[in-house]
This record gives sequence, C-alpha cells and structure tokens, in this order.
Amino acid sequence: EPEVTQTPSHQVTQMGQEVILRCVPISNHLYFYWYRQILGQKVEFLVSFYNNEISEKSEIFDDQFSVERPDGSNFTLKIRSTKLEDSAMYFCASSPRHNEQFFGPGTRLTVL
Amino acid sequence: AQKITQTQPGMFVQEKEAVTLDCTYDTSDQSYGLFWYKQPSSGEMIFLIYQGSYDEQNATEGRYSLNFQKARKSANLVISASQLGDSAMYFCAMREVQRDDKIIFGKGTRLHILP
Repeated sequence: EPEVTQTPSHQVTQMGQEVILRCVPISNHLYFYWYRQILGQKVEFLVSFYNNEISEKSEIFDDQFSVERPDGSNFTLKIRSTKLEDSAMYFCASSPRHNEQFFGPGTRLTVL
Repeated sequence: AQKITQTQPGMFVQEKEAVTLDCTYDTSDQSYGLFWYKQPSSGEMIFLIYQGSYDEQNATEGRYSLNFQKARKSANLVISASQLGDSAMYFCAMREVQRDDKIIFGKGTRLHILP
C-alpha cells in the first residue's frame, strides 16, 4: 500500500542553522501539508500546498519557514535560523481530495 | 475556544473489552469532516476513520466505528474487542470543508489496554 515517506527520521541541528525536511507524498495525491507536534502536545497545522502554491498557512508559519515541491515528487519544509522552540516532530501529510489526510512517519527535529 | 474537545486524557481498558473515546467539536459550518488518528509510542500518525458531516451512516473500518451524533456535535470513536496493540494516543480531528484545508486536532486521549 502506498505511503507517505519522510527523511530524515531524526535531525539534530545547532540553533541558528537551516534545516530541510523532506517528504515524498503518495504519488496520485494533490494536496500536501506540514504539521508539527511539540513533545507531549497536540498536532498543529503549519501549511497546506496545492497546485504548486501555498493554499493556507497558520500563524506559526512565518518567514522562517518555506515549502517547495522542487521536482514533482518531493515536498520539502525549510526552516531557516532554527530556534530551540522549533524542536518538535514534523509530519508531512498528503490527500487525494479534501477528505482523509495520510501522514508520514514524521521527522523528529532537535535544536541544540 | 477549543474546536475539538477530548475530555479523557487517559483511559485504562481490559483487553477484549470495547472502548469508547469521546470527542466533541465546535463549528458553525454545515460541511465538515471528522477524523480519528492513532499515534503509537513510535510516533507516527495512523489514519483510522473519517466521517463526513453529510454522511447519513456512521463510518466503520474493521474494529473501529465512529458514533456520529450531529445534533450533539459528538464524534466518539468505538473500538470493539480491544487488543494490546491498541495502546496508543488517539486524536480526534476536524476539517471545516468550506473554510480551509487544515485539520484541527484535539489534545488526545491516551489509551492503555490491560492484559
């Protein structure tokens, strides 16, 4: 069964560095999302992406964040100048339509 | 105001018993979708079940069913014949279809299945 995949599974970075989290959505899906989950807290929406552009973003998704779909298969989240509070699990999700969203296994980002 | 409320932070249930995880939601939209996800200790988010606001029948997927009571704005997850592998965090979530794309999650219920 097709799955959303994410790499790396765990990323450790120094505060102030840039990180790129990668996702490969399910191939026939059209809608793509990033969510984050700070340890012990609920999952929070960051951004949705459709037709090669951001369709919606939350207040969390400020200028520090950007998304790209560089090659028709990958979907990336870039975090510039990471802060300690960016430490979280980051989930990519994809959806064939506006119903179920299928989540990837997540990337655990640790900012030191 | 909370859009999704899960009032049970933790539950302990004996193996093979049925379990109901509570979820209430708040929306003024007529068109919305309700989801349940399972998050085991390994951290991934596993989609379990979806209910559309216009679906007349309660959604079922194997041992999972969603007890949808629209007038009460309630979308409880029922797991029949619980198994040890059902021990996990369970999140109820909602998408307001006309409004936006995002799914809004509740704070979750941690379910422990006892042998």
